[in-house]
Amino acid sequence: NAGVTQTPKFRILKIGQSMTLQCTQDMNHNYMYWYRQDPGMGLKLIYYSVGAGITDKGEVPNGYNVSRSTTEDFPLRLELAAPSQTSVYFCASSYSEGHYEQYFGPGTRLTVT
Amino acid sequence: GIQVEQSPPDLILQEGANSTLRCNFSDSVNNLQWFHQNPWGQLINLFYIPSGTKQNGRLSATTVATERYSLLYISSSQTTDSGVYFCAVERGRGSTLGRLYFGRGTQLTVWP
Repeated sequence: NAGVTQTPKFRILKIGQSMTLQCTQDMNHNYMYWYRQDPGMGLKLIYYSVGAGITDKGEVPNGYNVSRSTTEDFPLRLELAAPSQTSVYFCASSYSEGHYEQYFGPGTRLTVT
Repeated sequence: GIQVEQSPPDLILQEGANSTLRCNFSDSVNNLQWFHQNPWGQLINLFYIPSGTKQNGRLSATTVATERYSLLYISSSQTTDSGVYFCAVERGRGSTLGRLYFGRGTQLTVWP
């Protein structure tokens, strides 16, 4: 199993550009999450999904959109990139909530200039 | 939301030393995980430990859920242990279902 994979690893965007961060898991997990990590901080939840077709906002959803058309994929869309979105983005997955471990992808380092 | 506090924020050790990292949380939890973020940024699962004690090689962890804290022990530290150690908890109810709340981490530096 590859676990959770993310692409790209690095990206530089100009202000106002858009992009999609890709996330795929091959563990047949129902739950998937997007977090962002700012320098010197822990991770904060952007969006999450409890299954295909179901998504909900986390703590910091503004400026982002998600979709979940399959169990495996959970892309994160940035519209009109802003410098405040410069961060490292992590995708994670778990079998369910509560008593199941979350597994993280390697992260995408995004810079908006 | 739930508050997660980690201490110390920074720790500098010589190779071979032992250390204890602490995580306090403000409410009851269903899930507690310890992660190591290596210098390349990868988050590595160390322990899933909502209660009790677990050991994995030189690392062990104890969570006392009734007193709302967890400890991560690193024995005979090595330079490869360097990085940031995060504690994260999940309450698992209501609209925050499944969400992990992270502490700010402990930055560990191990010198040869």
